[in-house]
Amino acid sequence: KQEVTQIPAALSVPEGENLVLNCSFTDSAIYNLQWFRQDPGKGLTSLLLIQSSQREQTSGRLNASLDKSSGRSTLYIAASQPGDSATYLCAVKPSYNTDKLIFGTGTRLQVFP
Amino acid sequence: DAGVTQSPTHLIKTRGQQVTLRCSPKSGHDTVSWYQQALGQGPQFIFQYYEEEERQRGNFPDRFSGHQFPNYSSELNVNALLLGDSALYLCASSLERGLSAAFFGQGTRLTVV
Repeated sequence: KQEVTQIPAALSVPEGENLVLNCSFTDSAIYNLQWFRQDPGKGLTSLLLIQSSQREQTSGRLNASLDKSSGRSTLYIAASQPGDSATYLCAVKPSYNTDKLIFGTGTRLQVFP
Repeated sequence: DAGVTQSPTHLIKTRGQQVTLRCSPKSGHDTVSWYQQALGQGPQFIFQYYEEEERQRGNFPDRFSGHQFPNYSSELNVNALLLGDSALYLCASSLERGLSAAFFGQGTRLTVV
């Protein structure tokens, strides 16, 4: 059974710091992995999608890497800003034939001025 | 381009009642998935609809049912509401049963009293 874990559960950093959020999954046979942002009480905003054949994806100050063999993905946020404060969720699609996404419980990030 | 839209945004129901939540997918998307997110948890997969059929179902009782219309919009119905059904219900749309990135709506906050 695929399980997704995110560490740390919460993180508080001063503005300007570079930071890394971690996501681990127990079964390395995944189809893709997606990172989302969620503001309090709101829906999910898709940040980056990494296919199983890819090693990383970049969008602006965000970079996500994927190491399938070790069951890990990291989300790197450069030069953090107070507007980055939110909960970050990773989700795996286990296989081509599986429709669902399996989510971690998220990392709650606070960036203070 | 309108993203995924859900209605209503908030809803309060009494235990034992029935509720219907609605979702319109992102333009061009043909697949709709529903998730339940309890407070402080990651979203849990309920089911997915593609070509007006339920394709896969998560670990939810039969009280949870759905429908997809020819225009790809979808409804989630929950019968005999329990206090534990209180959660944020999220709709996600994608292409071809989730092979592409999933885009989420803002969610419907359901409170059962």
